[in-house]
Amino acid sequence: DADVTQTPRNRITKTGKRIMLECSQTKGHDRMYWYRQDPGLGLRLIYYSFDVKDINKGEISDGYSVSRQAQAKFSLSLESAIPNQTALYFCATSVRQNTGELFFGEGSRLTVL
Amino acid sequence: GQNIDQPTEMTATEGAIVQINCTYQTSGFNGLFWYQQHAGEAPTFLSYNVLDGLEEKGRFSSFLSRSKGYSYLLLKELQMKDSASYLCAVMDSNYQLIWGAGTKLIIKP
Repeated sequence: DADVTQTPRNRITKTGKRIMLECSQTKGHDRMYWYRQDPGLGLRLIYYSFDVKDINKGEISDGYSVSRQAQAKFSLSLESAIPNQTALYFCATSVRQNTGELFFGEGSRLTVL
Repeated sequence: GQNIDQPTEMTATEGAIVQINCTYQTSGFNGLFWYQQHAGEAPTFLSYNVLDGLEEKGRFSSFLSRSKGYSYLLLKELQMKDSASYLCAVMDSNYQLIWGAGTKLIIKP
């Protein structure tokens, strides 16, 4: 089983719908991240969390929100999905602060029609 | 602004050597990272450089020149399974990772 698990793996939805992407990890890491990946662009950070009480906006947080329900769970929500949020979304964890060694989930492919 | 540049696509032959370059302009520097990403899969960590020079790890090596804002990933004895995208990322002065768009490496028999 994967150490960082994302659900759903694939989702097709319509404009205006609320979508939640979930991430859970068994690595015991405090730090969790949400990224999106688009063709021709580098990974872009949406939100990150260094512990349950700590949530930080990343480069492209507009239109997204997150919840850190427990050390092991970090969910990403799109309150009202729009087509330009069609992308591959990755959850990641890291073992300590200020490290670039991230452990990624398998990805969630979201299509907004 | 911050920028990471790497070639979009490269082709190499099985058994050969390939060098994937990465140049960067960032606000500060706290390390450079290489990741491998097979199609449809998650990125996986390959290497980390924070000091100038070459870091070798089996068939893969990564080089860094901080004065030139330059790194390369060297893959030797290429195998078909090395067909993947290779992502370069730099950690800036705020300890945020800045990612390149990735280099898609195609290995031909």
